[in-house]
Amino acid sequence: DVKVTQSSRYLVKRTGEKVFLECVQDMDHENMFWYRQDPGLGLRLIYFSYDVKMKEKGDIPEGYSVSREKKERFSLILESASTNQTSMYLCASSSYRVPHEQYFGPGTRLTVT
Amino acid sequence: DQQVKQNSPSLSVQEGRISILNCDYTNSMFDYFLWYKKYPAEGPTFLISISSIKDKNEDGRFTVFLNKSAKHLSLHIVPSQPGDSAVYFCAASANSGAGSYQLTFGKGTKLSVIP
Repeated sequence: DVKVTQSSRYLVKRTGEKVFLECVQDMDHENMFWYRQDPGLGLRLIYFSYDVKMKEKGDIPEGYSVSREKKERFSLILESASTNQTSMYLCASSSYRVPHEQYFGPGTRLTVT
Repeated sequence: DQQVKQNSPSLSVQEGRISILNCDYTNSMFDYFLWYKKYPAEGPTFLISISSIKDKNEDGRFTVFLNKSAKHLSLHIVPSQPGDSAVYFCAASANSGAGSYQLTFGKGTKLSVIP
């Protein structure tokens, strides 16, 4: 079974803090993704990576950056957290062989106060 | 511009009856469509998919139908069970290059199956 884990289930940070969200997958997947889920807006893609050290912007990259130094790990960074970044953050991964089917982690509920 | 639309935010169905969830899309480049199911406080889980070269795919109680000319797909759940109560997301993908496929998600439909 594919397992995607995220470092925290719940996180509370203050405005202006730097925030790191970590994601690890154990299935040797090449592709990794970061989404945020907001009520009434569905899932929106922030960034994705199709290889180590590679990254591509998704639909809403503003205010975020990412890092992929190892194949199994994909980090989302909020350089200076703002209240409008309060959201559920979901990490996903997929393989080159079956690229469409993404496997998701449990999510991190981030609150910025 | 919303490329994948789920126009029904919620749906209630009696246990044992059919649930039909609908999804419309606008981008002709989409070549693969998926349905994900999400329980509260969990990540979405893959349910079923269909390639654009097919018009139907079936997996147990779940069937997805694709009408390319209408740019419409639907998920049928027969018979519906209380455990099916969840938010269902429709997603579509197109090759974004380098072998990576981005998914574009709809806003979701909350299905409630009433015992």
